[in-house]
Amino acid sequence: DAGVIQSPRHEVTEMGQEVTLRCKPISGHNSLFWYRQTMMRGLELLIYFNNNVPIDDSGMPEDRFSAKMPNASFSTLKIQPSEPRDSAVYFCASKREYTEAFFGQGTRLTVV
Amino acid sequence: QQPVQSPQAVILREGEDAVINCSSSKALYSVHWYRQKHGEAPVFLMILLKGGEQKGHDKISASFNEKKQQSSLYLTASQLSYSGTYFCGTEDGDDKIIFGKGTRLHILP
Repeated sequence: DAGVIQSPRHEVTEMGQEVTLRCKPISGHNSLFWYRQTMMRGLELLIYFNNNVPIDDSGMPEDRFSAKMPNASFSTLKIQPSEPRDSAVYFCASKREYTEAFFGQGTRLTVV
Repeated sequence: QQPVQSPQAVILREGEDAVINCSSSKALYSVHWYRQKHGEAPVFLMILLKGGEQKGHDKISASFNEKKQQSSLYLTASQLSYSGTYFCGTEDGDDKIIFGKGTRLHILP
């Protein structure tokens, strides 16, 4: 298996633009997580899907953030409109129930 | 609730030992430990399940005290390759992992 695949690896966008981050989890994994990593806040859980259904989105910072998982092999995290404070590394991770999580390589987002 | 890790940072000389602690205010089902190198993704080290055994791999081992809701990661005879940021992640039974803020470990030759 190729592991968790995220795209793009780097994204630079202007404030106010829409940003879409993509994730392909490992086949057979039924849980998917979106995390945001910054120096100040560490690895924050944004949203958690189980069997494609959003279970806990309490970590989504505000309405500008939305996430979808239309099928078991694809998820998106969208920020609209983006702001400079959204600059961070965004990780997607997937796992089977009660096992370890596997992380993608992350998307480094810079909003200028 | 985010678990609390201590210390925040450690500097060691190669060959020395280190202990990283993780505590939670919630009853835990499992504790995960990950290591992240600069510019890379976190990589899984080990998982400790409620009622399970103490885990170990080579010179890295960990313990899980369920009653105290605490876990510790033990790095013995540290190597240069151990440098990085160590994260503990906790699960309270709902299958989502919440991570602490990490412990930065720097090994000097």
